[in-house]
Amino acid sequence: EAQVTQNPRYLITVTGKKLTVTCSQNMNHEYMSWYRQDPGLGLRQIYYSMNVEVTDKGDVPEGYKVSRKEKRNFPLILESPSPNQTSLYFCASTPHRLAGSDTQYFGPGTRLTVL
Amino acid sequence: AQRVTQPEKLLSVFKGAPVELKCNYSYSGSPELFWYVQYSRQRLQLLLRHISRESIKGFTADLNKGETSFHLKKPFAQEEDSAMYYCALQTGANNLFFGTGTRLTVIP
Repeated sequence: EAQVTQNPRYLITVTGKKLTVTCSQNMNHEYMSWYRQDPGLGLRQIYYSMNVEVTDKGDVPEGYKVSRKEKRNFPLILESPSPNQTSLYFCASTPHRLAGSDTQYFGPGTRLTVL
Repeated sequence: AQRVTQPEKLLSVFKGAPVELKCNYSYSGSPELFWYVQYSRQRLQLLLRHISRESIKGFTADLNKGETSFHLKKPFAQEEDSAMYYCALQTGANNLFFGTGTRLTVIP
């Protein structure tokens, strides 16, 4: 089944403890991105990647890192999480480099709480 | 700067009534606009995009460049339309900006 998967789905952690949220797609998509969803703010793009080894900042990149060593994986790294990074995170992928020119497929979301 | 505004956080309509979810955008370039929907316990998914000029699940949206709007409409709301709706604007080649969303509740 074609899909985007994220792990973990739920995570509670403490300030400063490094964590990684994985994202994987099995559709051979070129474009992948990370969003955070916060009440009253909608979805905001954190980082995106047009292809392997090509990543760029989105709207709210501060406090996050990403890597794209393989086409299928696009992990989100929080080196030193802080409480203001408590949010619902979505990974998405789309077949081509141009975001929006084709359907974005979203993962199920990861709910992160930083104490 | 680009911006997407959805003025209504919550919208309730009765089943069978018309529904309109408002979306206004601000962008100096040529916009590409989308509506995404998130049903309860499901992931976000594309509903429709303006370049396709399509009707999906009875919903339509017309891009009005003069009013910088892309309102989503349906003549007769159904209970299964209850969901969170997001308007999104694509700028340049890579960025997709979302509005804050409108939660639609269709009352039986």
